[in-house]
Amino acid sequence: EPEVTQTPSHQVTQMGQEVILRCVPISNHLYFYWYRQILGQKVEFLVSFYNNEISEKSEIFDDQFSVERPDGSNFTLKIRSTKLEDSAMYFCASNTGDGSKNIQYFGAGTRLSVL
Amino acid sequence: LAKTTQPISMDSYEGQEVNITCSHNNIATNDYITWYQQFPSQGPRFIIQGYKTKVTNEVASLFIPADRKSSTLSLPRVSLSDTAVYYCLVGDSLPPHKLIFGTGTLLAVQP
Repeated sequence: EPEVTQTPSHQVTQMGQEVILRCVPISNHLYFYWYRQILGQKVEFLVSFYNNEISEKSEIFDDQFSVERPDGSNFTLKIRSTKLEDSAMYFCASNTGDGSKNIQYFGAGTRLSVL
Repeated sequence: LAKTTQPISMDSYEGQEVNITCSHNNIATNDYITWYQQFPSQGPRFIIQGYKTKVTNEVASLFIPADRKSSTLSLPRVSLSDTAVYYCLVGDSLPPHKLIFGTGTLLAVQP
């Protein structure tokens, strides 16, 4: 069964450093998303991406965040200067975009620990 | 987007059927009802989606009454591995709409 894959599974970084979280969405999917989940809290939407541009972003997704689909298979989330409060699980998701159902398929996540 | 209300937690025993009910009083005509499952430190996993009446797949059944103001996820014969958080989401079926997760229902299955 096709799945969304994310790397690394765990990323440890120092405050102020840049991190790039990587995702390979399901191959025929057209819509891509990033969510995050701080420990013990809800899953929160960050950004949606379609046709090489951002469709929607949340208030969390400020100028420190960016997304890119550099090569037609990878979908990345960059945090330019990490803060302690960026520590969370980050989930990538994708959707077929066939217009019939908004079913999103999630990866296993990257645990980001900012020290 | 319709607000949903579901129990914070439920307990069950192996082999029992579990029914988790979700209220969504202000569901819109174009909204679908979707349930996701999340294990600790993993991403949410799609379980089932429906619009009205009953939907069944290999994992669960979803019951939706005619007024669509609530829905019930039914898990037959749960096992320990079904211990997870279950989320009820209501929204338009067309992408790229963001998913808005609530706190979900923590189902604890005991031996």
